[in-house]
Amino acid sequence: AQSVTQLGSHVSVSEGALVLLRCNYSSSVPPYLFWYVQYPNQGLQLLLKYTSAATLVKGINGFEAEFKKSETSFHLTKPSAHMSDAAEYFCAVSPGNTGFQKLVFGTGTRLLVSP
Amino acid sequence: SAVISQKPSRDICQRGTSLTIQCQVDSQVTMMFWYRQQPGQSLTLIATANQGSEATYESGFVIDKFPISRPNLTFSTLTVSNMSPEDSSIYLCSVDTGSTDTQYFGPGTRLTVL
Repeated sequence: AQSVTQLGSHVSVSEGALVLLRCNYSSSVPPYLFWYVQYPNQGLQLLLKYTSAATLVKGINGFEAEFKKSETSFHLTKPSAHMSDAAEYFCAVSPGNTGFQKLVFGTGTRLLVSP
Repeated sequence: SAVISQKPSRDICQRGTSLTIQCQVDSQVTMMFWYRQQPGQSLTLIATANQGSEATYESGFVIDKFPISRPNLTFSTLTVSNMSPEDSSIYLCSVDTGSTDTQYFGPGTRLTVL
């Protein structure tokens, strides 16, 4: 079984500051890991994914995440926040390499960016 | 990737009625999924819909309440039956193209039940 824990339902940063959104996972098999972003009144957009290749994954809009097996973590970072980054971010896990991607989502972290 | 559209984008319904949500994909896909996102909550998988077979429902969801159709490889519908205010949620469909190990999501249908 898989599960995801996102620490912090809300994270506030200033524009230009480092963004760090935390995600820890639990999986009985090697996982695939995803970060999705949801802007207000919109669906989910894939930011990046880890599927057992490089452990440092770069995504869209300057975001990246590092898969750390020893820490069972997949934290999302961005060096410099922009006002347009304000959104809800979801970490998700699926059992990797099974041909069937049943996603389990975390509870989400709302990123607030102040001027 | 895949381009996914949903209809309607939002609706306000009376309790006891039913609403059918449509999901259309711009390419053929094997697997389609339906999720529910209750207000302020994360996404919960309702069911997986494969073309040519019965949908597979997750624990806590039943076919009588959420019947699903999957008539071809580009289309699916989810019906929310005998609605109550507790069904007020965003309903999202997603697809797995099978070649990228990734699910792509539609824009969602925002349902309010009065």
